[in-house]
Amino acid sequence: QLQLQESGPGLVKPSETLSLTCIVSGDSINSHFHYWGWVRQPPGKGLEWIGSIYYRGNTYYNPSLKSRVTLSVDTSKNQFSLKVYSVTAADTAVFYCARQPDNPAVGIPDYFDQWGQGTLVTVSS
Amino acid sequence: QSALTQPASVSGSPAQSITISCTGTNNDVGSYNLVSWYQQYPGKAPKLMIYEVNKRPSGVSNRFSGSKSGNTASLTISGLQPEDEADYFCCSYAGSSTVFGGGTRLSVL
Repeated sequence: QLQLQESGPGLVKPSETLSLTCIVSGDSINSHFHYWGWVRQPPGKGLEWIGSIYYRGNTYYNPSLKSRVTLSVDTSKNQFSLKVYSVTAADTAVFYCARQPDNPAVGIPDYFDQWGQGTLVTVSS
Repeated sequence: QSALTQPASVSGSPAQSITISCTGTNNDVGSYNLVSWYQQYPGKAPKLMIYEVNKRPSGVSNRFSGSKSGNTASLTISGLQPEDEADYFCCSYAGSSTVFGGGTRLSVL
């Protein structure tokens, strides 16, 4: 059974870098059939897609965050990671990692079929 | 990219049907049959309810259905049950990007 577990600091200081890792179990991150994505949700607000990555390193980023975000994948550890640079209080959110099937017709990340439980990251001094 | 537009709230009585709309543009909903819907309870992760406009994952009740017309997608829940009370988010592929709706709070009165 697939499980995704986010890990990382729950508190980050303004202007620093937020780093999270999603540990995948029950499926191989090397799968040809899936992308791996990040979604965040500020307290009391809606969902915002951050970006998605394929095991070969192909990436898609939210244009509004692209200049401050990097996704990476570590196939040896079966995990993928997120970095958000120069954070502010506006980056405070619950961060979710999720699996996305690859849409075979167009070779892009499709819907989010499995989600991690989420982790709250607070940006504060 | 702008968020897809959903009503902030909808309500219905048990056994009734409700529909939640999700309006985008011809850069997202209107151009791709890649609309999905998620149910979220407070403090919990979202759960996939509908994908590719009208497909239902295994284990999701057939009371949930999806459709699309032009730039607007819709989620219909028939035979409302108290446990359907939750937040619902739509999502669409938007050409090398993905965009969510602002979310709709469903109240079952």
